[in-house]
Amino acid sequence: NAGVTQTPKFQVLKTGQSMTLQCAQDMNHEYMSWYRQDPGMGLRLIHYSVGAGITDQGEVPNGYNVSRSTTEDFPLRLLSAAPSQTSVYFCASMLTGGPKQFFGPGTRLTVL
Amino acid sequence: GENVEQHPSTLSVQEGDSAVIKCTYSDSASNYFPWYKQELGKRPQLIIDIRSNVGEKKDQRIAVTLNKTAKHFSLHITETQPEDSAVYFCAASIGGTSYGKLTFGQGTILTVHP
Repeated sequence: NAGVTQTPKFQVLKTGQSMTLQCAQDMNHEYMSWYRQDPGMGLRLIHYSVGAGITDQGEVPNGYNVSRSTTEDFPLRLLSAAPSQTSVYFCASMLTGGPKQFFGPGTRLTVL
Repeated sequence: GENVEQHPSTLSVQEGDSAVIKCTYSDSASNYFPWYKQELGKRPQLIIDIRSNVGEKKDQRIAVTLNKTAKHFSLHITETQPEDSAVYFCAASIGGTSYGKLTFGQGTILTVHP
C-alpha cells in the first residue's frame, strides 16, 4: 500500500513552459485535492475532486487545470508557468465521508 | 471565505516544558479542526483533530481544545521533547462534503531545546 504518491519530486521550468504534476493513490479514496505551500503562508487549496469526472476550484485556482478520469489519479497541469507558481505542491486524498486527509510527499517546483 | 489566524509564528521551549499554539477562525460554520505536524522537507502529518461537538480531545502528550463561541482552538503539547521540533499547522473546514476543503493557518515553528 503506497498511499499517496507524487512525481516528480523536483522540477525546474522556464517561464511559459507547461508541465503536469502527477498524483496517485491506492487507497480507493474518492476525494483528492491539490495544495500549494509558500513560505509563511501555510497551505492553500488549488483544486479538488470528489470523484472521477468531478472537479472544482479551491482558493487559488488561477493558472492551474485539473481533470479526474480515474479514482486513482489526479494530475495538476500548469499550462504556462510563471515565477509566481514557484512553490511546493502537495496532493492529498481522503474517503468522501472524511475527515482525515493523507498528504503525498510533495513536488518542489521552481519557475525561472 | 474562511480565514484562520495562527499564533505565535515561532515558539522556543526547553525540553520538558509545555507548548501552546493558538488559532482563531472566522466562519462560524466550520466544525472540523485538524492539526498537522511538518518536519523539514517532509509532508504534513495529521497529529490530532477535533470536531465541533467536542470541547477537548487528548492523545498522550498532545491535546486540542475548542471554544466555538469564541471561534478559537488550541494545541497543547506537554513534556516536550527535541523530536517535537517541527512546523505545526492548524486548519479548519465546514465538514460534511467539504471536510477536504481545509483552510490552513500560517504555521508555528516549534523548537525544543535539549
